[in-house]
Amino acid sequence: EAQVTQNPRYLITVTGKKLTVTCSQNMNHEYMSWYRQDPGLGLRQIYYSMNVEVTDKGDVPEGYKVSRKEKRNFPLILESPSPNQTSLYFCASRKRGGTDTQYFGPGTRLTVL
Amino acid sequence: TQLLEQSPQFLSIQEGENLTVYCNSSSVFSSLQWYRQEPGEGPVLLVTVVTGGEVKKLKRLTFQFGDARKDSSLHITAAQPGDTGLYLCAGDGNYQLIWGAGTKLIIKP
Repeated sequence: EAQVTQNPRYLITVTGKKLTVTCSQNMNHEYMSWYRQDPGLGLRQIYYSMNVEVTDKGDVPEGYKVSRKEKRNFPLILESPSPNQTSLYFCASRKRGGTDTQYFGPGTRLTVL
Repeated sequence: TQLLEQSPQFLSIQEGENLTVYCNSSSVFSSLQWYRQEPGEGPVLLVTVVTGGEVKKLKRLTFQFGDARKDSSLHITAAQPGDTGLYLCAGDGNYQLIWGAGTKLIIKP
């Protein structure tokens, strides 16, 4: 089954404790993205990657890091989480750009205390 | 900077009524997509419109792309409780999708 998986689905942590949210897709897609979704603000892109070893900042990259060492994986790293990073995070992938469908993971609800 | 303004932000109507959601921009997009998101899940693609003036139908949902490819609308006929959800439009920008803020739609039985 074609899918995007992300883990964990739920995470409660404390300020400053480094964490990684994993994302994996099994569709051989080139494009992958991370978004955060907050009430009233919609989906905001954090980082995106157009291929292995190619990453770029989205609209809200501060406080986040990503890597793309393999085509299928695109982890999101919060080196020192802060309460303002409490949000619902989505990983997404699509074959390339243009009219290609973007497939989303199920989401990770992160709470930083 | 490309922006997509989506309206209304929130809509609560009775089952059987019609509604329209709008997605507007001052920028031209090569294509525009509409997604629907249910609570606890990621958005799922409903349709992609590509040609100016294009109209696509998905059962009771009608999607239209403006002639100038700067705006789009989603019209739902005879809304049903199963249509409840968050509807998002996204325009194809350079290497990125440009997202509207979403319309939260509630259909009351």
